[in-house]
Amino acid sequence: DVQMTQSPSILSASVGDRVAITCRASQNVIEYLNWYQQKPGKAPRLLIYAASNLQSGVPSRFSGSGFGTHFSLNISGLQPEDFASYFCQQSYSSPPTFGQGTRLEI
Amino acid sequence: QVQLVQSGSELKKPGASVKVSCKASGYSFTKFTINWVRQAPGQGLEWMGWISTDTGHPTYAPGFTGRFVFSLDSSVSTAYLQIISLEAEDTAVYFCARIYYYASGSHSDYWGQGTLVTVSS
Repeated sequence: DVQMTQSPSILSASVGDRVAITCRASQNVIEYLNWYQQKPGKAPRLLIYAASNLQSGVPSRFSGSGFGTHFSLNISGLQPEDFASYFCQQSYSSPPTFGQGTRLEI
Repeated sequence: QVQLVQSGSELKKPGASVKVSCKASGYSFTKFTINWVRQAPGQGLEWMGWISTDTGHPTYAPGFTGRFVFSLDSSVSTAYLQIISLEAEDTAVYFCARIYYYASGSHSDYWGQGTLVTVSS
């Protein structure tokens, strides 16, 4: 299985900050990397698919980049509603695997 | 609009079985595979497998074979997850999600709200 490693596990930031979360794959997953946001007690929400494509309805302050084994999720101008957990997921190799998550906190 | 609505929370004793439903609406049910994802308390997301809503063929992730069963009732646009011989370690929130495929990849674009299954004596 492809192992996905996110860093950091916990990220402290303030409203208005720009932050980056990274995700490393143990094997080449080309561009098939998704990012999800999850708030407590809620289902995950798709933010970014295929590394850099913004899902419909997601604010443009979210962006993704990367290829192969290194990927990042960037959030510019943090808003209060952005404080949540974020997960990467590769979909190139079966089984699709998730990173362990990054909790973004104030 | 696309919606996946799951059945409510369940409290079960060890050894019992549970069946979680996931009712789809707002799209053609048989055109999108459904996958299941587990989230243990305070933990991350774990992919359990998927079921083709076209053929009914299930695929299970390693670690989810034997006691976990995916099924469908396409007449009511509903997917099911059954867990047999429940163990305390099965206590988790279970999500269904629709899979959108493209090129060599996929993503889950719509999710159910999650069903908490608690296993306790």
